[in-house]
Amino acid sequence: GAGVSQSPSNKVTEKGKDVELRCDPISGHTALYWYRQSLGQGLEFLIYFQGNSAPDKSGLPSDRFSAERTGGSVSTLTIQRTQQEDSAVYLCASSKNRGLAGQETQYFGPGTRLLVL
Amino acid sequence: GENVEQHPSTLSVQEGDSAVIKCTYSDSASNYFPWYKQELGKGPQLIIDIRSNVGEKKDQRIAVTLNKTAKHFSLHITETQPEDSAVYFCAASPNFGNEKLTFGTGTRLTIIP
Repeated sequence: GAGVSQSPSNKVTEKGKDVELRCDPISGHTALYWYRQSLGQGLEFLIYFQGNSAPDKSGLPSDRFSAERTGGSVSTLTIQRTQQEDSAVYLCASSKNRGLAGQETQYFGPGTRLLVL
Repeated sequence: GENVEQHPSTLSVQEGDSAVIKCTYSDSASNYFPWYKQELGKGPQLIIDIRSNVGEKKDQRIAVTLNKTAKHFSLHITETQPEDSAVYFCAASPNFGNEKLTFGTGTRLTIIP
């Protein structure tokens, strides 16, 4: 079946503009995660959704970052007034996450490469 | 919060030899430890994982060991092949993975033909 998809694959924007990044999780996966990967760095957690609610937003770096999920499926990560330090690869992952062993595996999408000029 | 350290940051291994990557974690509540492989331009792909009720797990040429007392876990790749060249990330999570993953900083593995 189809894996996690993300769009756009690449985004170049000017400093100060807003951007929206989209994630389509694997069908039937209830949990959805956003991570950020800066050049040569590991993955930094941003936010986690269980269904449409976000029990953990602790990783969002500032109030310029927000995310929503509708219908328990697609999620959008929005960055307002982008700054150059926002340049990174934004990765989305999903998992079945029904509290059962073996359903916690997070499957990652290919990422959106964001460059803020 | 959890802190995961990963070593080495780069590793070059002759084809056919073994590669070992080590990680340590700080939070004793962590009980799920996946390993991901990331190829250039792609998202991370899970290659093996281990839960805290197990000390070792093997899948063909790949094995992971876990020492809960010392809070460290390792990835072992035997009989390395050129296609094993990639960046490998370890991660840790509480609640058996039903929460966020905290990642190590990655190991760039190069297999020398």
